[in-house]
Amino acid sequence: TQLLEQSPQFLSIQEGENLTVYCNSSSVFSSLQWYRQEPGEGPVLLVTVVTGGEVKKLKRLTFQFGDARKDSSLHITAAQPGDTGLYLCAGPRGGSQGNLIFGKGTKLSVKP
Amino acid sequence: ETGVTQTPRHLVMGMTNKKSLKCEQHLGHNAMYWYKQSAKKPLELMFVYSLEERVENNSVPSRFSPECPNSSHLFLHLHTLQPEDSALYLCASSQEGARYNEQFFGPGTRLTVL
Repeated sequence: TQLLEQSPQFLSIQEGENLTVYCNSSSVFSSLQWYRQEPGEGPVLLVTVVTGGEVKKLKRLTFQFGDARKDSSLHITAAQPGDTGLYLCAGPRGGSQGNLIFGKGTKLSVKP
Repeated sequence: ETGVTQTPRHLVMGMTNKKSLKCEQHLGHNAMYWYKQSAKKPLELMFVYSLEERVENNSVPSRFSPECPNSSHLFLHLHTLQPEDSALYLCASSQEGARYNEQFFGPGTRLTVL
């Protein structure tokens, strides 16, 4: 059974701090997606990583796909209160292009 | 309207009521999904419609009944629900055949079953 494990489950930090959250699996994924879900809203796609070792940057967010394509990380530099939300990773089910499976997410709170 | 919309945003119903959730996508996609989001659980895929045909039903109880009259609209009909069905119900859409099946979500309906 494919599973995506995300850690930490909760993270509360002060504005300006850096942080990293992780998405791990024992299965190989052809791609992984990261979503952010703000309170009272649905998830919004941030990025898709597709190549082992790939690094993608989105302003202060840096996403990395592991060399073996079993894990991914999201690093936020100088976090701001607007970064608060639930960060979800997702990958195609069955290891191929198709429906997605999701991790439980990391709930991030950035205090001013 | 843009993106994916869902109505109502909040719903409180008794166990004997019948209600429907509505989803509409304005992205020209041809696949639509219903997910259930409960506390401390990953997003659970409930139903998938591709080109208006149901292609997946993930062992969802029959008290949840989906309907997809066209590629832009998706409904979830609810009847005789249980308190444990209280959750955020999310609709999403995507373009079938797109390389990475990136999905676009609506804001969800927060359902409370009394």
